[in-house]
Amino acid sequence: GENVEQHPSTLSVQEGDSAVIKCTYSDSASNYFPWYKQELGKGPQLIIDIRSNVGEKKDQRIAVTLNKTAKHFSLHITETQPEDSAVYFCAASGTTSGTYKYIFGTGTRLKVLA
Amino acid sequence: GAVVSQHPSRVICKSGTSVKIECRSLDFQATTMFWYRQFPKQSLMLMATSNEGSKATYEQGVEKDKFLINHASLTLSTLTVTSAHPEDSSFYICSARGQGDGYTFGSGTRLTVV
Repeated sequence: GENVEQHPSTLSVQEGDSAVIKCTYSDSASNYFPWYKQELGKGPQLIIDIRSNVGEKKDQRIAVTLNKTAKHFSLHITETQPEDSAVYFCAASGTTSGTYKYIFGTGTRLKVLA
Repeated sequence: GAVVSQHPSRVICKSGTSVKIECRSLDFQATTMFWYRQFPKQSLMLMATSNEGSKATYEQGVEKDKFLINHASLTLSTLTVTSAHPEDSSFYICSARGQGDGYTFGSGTRLTVV
């Protein structure tokens, strides 16, 4: 079935350094790839997304890259800050019976050390 | 932007009772909402897709008679956990799709069954 793998499961970086989280998806029909940040006890919040017709998208310190051929997409956070500490989830989505169902990765717990 | 309100944020109930969780799209209409369950330090597991005016679509392994979903209007979906047991204790999150591809998530409901 459809699957999204996410690595690493945990990531610790020094404040100011960059963090990279990688995901691989299995369904070649997937065409939309959002990234969510989840803080403890809260619902996920969309931080950036990318469509399959784009290779890279950037929003201030956050960027996402997509390699459709390899079915890889990655989240890049530069100049990390302590408030970036959270769990990050990638997801892949495509039209399945018109519902755009998400398949989530397993999550990455990011710790930014001050 | 799109806002999804989920209520209650926390609930404690006794075994055998039922609990209703509400998910409202505040500033947009959502023909489709999704209900997820999340165990500690794990990813979001899709339980069901809630369709306005029709029956919900449940994922494999999710008991539809135990997790009743009603999507009676374009802005409200409810999840009722019937005859709750301690193993139903979890974090339940809803999401709704606005005009774009991205889903907006509610803030989640922490259910504890004692």
